[in-house]
Amino acid sequence: NAGVMQNPRHLVRRRGQEARLRCSPMKGHSHVYWYRQLPEEGLKFMVYLQKENIIDESGMPKERFSAEFPKEGPSILRIQQVVRGDSAAYFCASSPLYQGDQPQHFGDGTRLSIL
Amino acid sequence: AQSVTQPDIHITVSEGASLELRCNYSYGATPYLFWYVQSPGQGLQLLLKYFSGDTLVQGIKGFEAEFKRSQSSFNLRKPSVHWSDAAEYFCAVGAENQGGKLIFGQGTELSVKP
Repeated sequence: NAGVMQNPRHLVRRRGQEARLRCSPMKGHSHVYWYRQLPEEGLKFMVYLQKENIIDESGMPKERFSAEFPKEGPSILRIQQVVRGDSAAYFCASSPLYQGDQPQHFGDGTRLSIL
Repeated sequence: AQSVTQPDIHITVSEGASLELRCNYSYGATPYLFWYVQSPGQGLQLLLKYFSGDTLVQGIKGFEAEFKRSQSSFNLRKPSVHWSDAAEYFCAVGAENQGGKLIFGQGTELSVKP
C-alpha cells in the first residue's frame, strides 16, 4: 500500500534551467496538493489539483511555475528558468475527497538546489 | 485571513519529561486542525486531527491535543517524551470553504536531551 511517491528526492539545477518535480498520489486519491518549504519556514500552499483540473492556484508564483495532473500519470510541478530563490523542499500531498476535514498524506519531498 | 502561530521556534526537554507545544489559530468559523511531525529529510506524518466533537483528541505515538475555542488554541501534549520524538512539529488549519488547502505554522523544533 504505497504512500505518496515523489521523485526525484534531490534535484540540482543551474540557474536558467527547468525543473520538473513528479508526484504520484496514494492509490485511490484523486486530489493533489503542492507545498513549498523554504529553509527555516513552514510549508506554504502552492496549488491544488484534481485530475485534469487546477482547482486552486492561489499560492503559485505568477511566472515560471506551472502544475498539471493529467488523466494518466503523475502530477508535475514545473519551474522554468530557475533562480536561486527557488531552492527549497517541495512537498506533494494527496487526499481522497474534496473536503476540508480530509487529512492529507505527504510524500517525502523533492529537495531542489539551484547552483 | 486564516493564520497559524506556533510561538516556540525551538524547545528542549529532557527524556521522560512532559511536553506541550503551543498552537494558536485565527479563523472565523470552526476550523479543521492538524498536527504533523517531520523528521529530518522526510515528509510530514499526521499525528492527530480535530474536526468536531470531543475537544481532546488522541493521536499516534502517545500524543494528544486539546481544542480550546475560547483561546483559539490547539496545543499538542505528551506526558513522557522519548528521544525518538526529536523532530519538527507543525500545526495546520484547514476549512470547509478552502477545499483541502492547509495553512501551516512555522513549526517548533523539538530537541530531547538524555
